[in-house]
Amino acid sequence: DTGVSQDPRHKITKRGQNVTFRCDPISEHNRLYWYRQTLGQGPEFLTYFQNEAQLEKSRLLSDRFSAERPKGSFSTLEIQRTEQGDSAMYLCASSFDSGGRPTIYFGEGSWLTVV
Amino acid sequence: AQSVTQPDIHITVSEGASLELRCNYSYGATPYLFWYVQSPGQGLQLLLKYFSGDTLVQGIKGFEAEFKRSQSSFNLRKPSVHWSDAAEYFCAVVRHDKLIFGTGTRLQVFP
Repeated sequence: DTGVSQDPRHKITKRGQNVTFRCDPISEHNRLYWYRQTLGQGPEFLTYFQNEAQLEKSRLLSDRFSAERPKGSFSTLEIQRTEQGDSAMYLCASSFDSGGRPTIYFGEGSWLTVV
Repeated sequence: AQSVTQPDIHITVSEGASLELRCNYSYGATPYLFWYVQSPGQGLQLLLKYFSGDTLVQGIKGFEAEFKRSQSSFNLRKPSVHWSDAAEYFCAVVRHDKLIFGTGTRLQVFP
């Protein structure tokens, strides 16, 4: 069990640029989640997948955000035309669907700074 | 509406003292509850969880939590705090297969 892996850990980008984060879940976990966390706040749900299907997207996920999970394995979160308000930690998590009782494990997060 | 409240934004304790971090939830059904810990700049580590059964649950690093339905609470406790416990602690509840988090409690430990 290698845990949830995220890449890159830190990203500094100029406003207007696109960025992409990658998440590799724990193997055999069929659910994958993306959360966003700003300083002094708890993580906020963005979206989640069961296998390759994106089951829910938060209202926080504007049209500039897109997430994919091809083949139900790793996932990518892309932010287009970044804004300073996008600066945050983006957390990926995974779990195994266990009849509504998920134990969700988080990665180390990807810090985004938009300058 | 579903919510998780952590009333204490910041708590300071001396090393070796006991600790209790408060968490209250509002939810109509039987909640699935979690505590996570986050060190600065790091991800979240799962401390413990409650799904059903025994209302006192044991976790890692010597932490425990007690589910009290009558008080809608799931407080985290540790009998003797170590300096390495200094971190941010988050309570969370599952709603529709995803976690809803409280705003966190920052724990500071003095030697």
